[in-house]
Amino acid sequence: GQQLNQSPQSMFIQEGEDVSMNCTSSSIFNTWLWYKQDPGEGPVLLIALYKAGELTSNGRLTAQFGITRKDSFLNISASIPSDVGIYFCAGLPLGGGSNYKLTFGKGTLLTVNP
Amino acid sequence: DAMVIQNPRYQVTQFGKPVTLSCSQTLNHNVMYWYQQKSSQAPKLLFHYYDKDFNNEADTPDNFQSRRPNTSFCFLDIRSPGLGDAAMYLCATSRDPSSVDTQYFGPGTRLTVL
Repeated sequence: GQQLNQSPQSMFIQEGEDVSMNCTSSSIFNTWLWYKQDPGEGPVLLIALYKAGELTSNGRLTAQFGITRKDSFLNISASIPSDVGIYFCAGLPLGGGSNYKLTFGKGTLLTVNP
Repeated sequence: DAMVIQNPRYQVTQFGKPVTLSCSQTLNHNVMYWYQQKSSQAPKLLFHYYDKDFNNEADTPDNFQSRRPNTSFCFLDIRSPGLGDAAMYLCATSRDPSSVDTQYFGPGTRLTVL
């Protein structure tokens, strides 16, 4: 089945620093999504990407759909304590895959030290 | 303004004792999903309903069943919970299967099996 390799697995940063995380796949994806999950809550969609090369921002967050359609990255600028959480990438394979089932990365745990 | 509501938020059951988790939505979405998420892992899709059509994932154990009596509600039944079924269970909805960017997650139900 489809797999997404998400890295890094965890990050410990100081407040104010910028953060970058990425997802890669061995196969082509049609759509990339980035979610944030707070402890004890469900994932919340941050950014959705639909076209190769697309660069989209949402406040301090910026995400890009890789040109090869096999990767995506998420940047967070000037991190603040409330950025703490687990960030998941998710993708939809070319053609929709099996029943349009999302493939999730394993997540990046972000810790921000005030 | 909750759009996907899950009850209860925390559920404790005994080994082998049937349990039902509930999900309701105010979005009038056609698709409702159930995911299982274990600690430090990505959500794993168990099954979904597209309107009244049930779509089971091939690797979902028979122990897990679902019902969707109407558009707004969907239930997850675990017939004989084992210790390995302790997890966060996430309900999600989307407008239609291909509209993955409209997939909204509920806050989850944390299941403990004693």
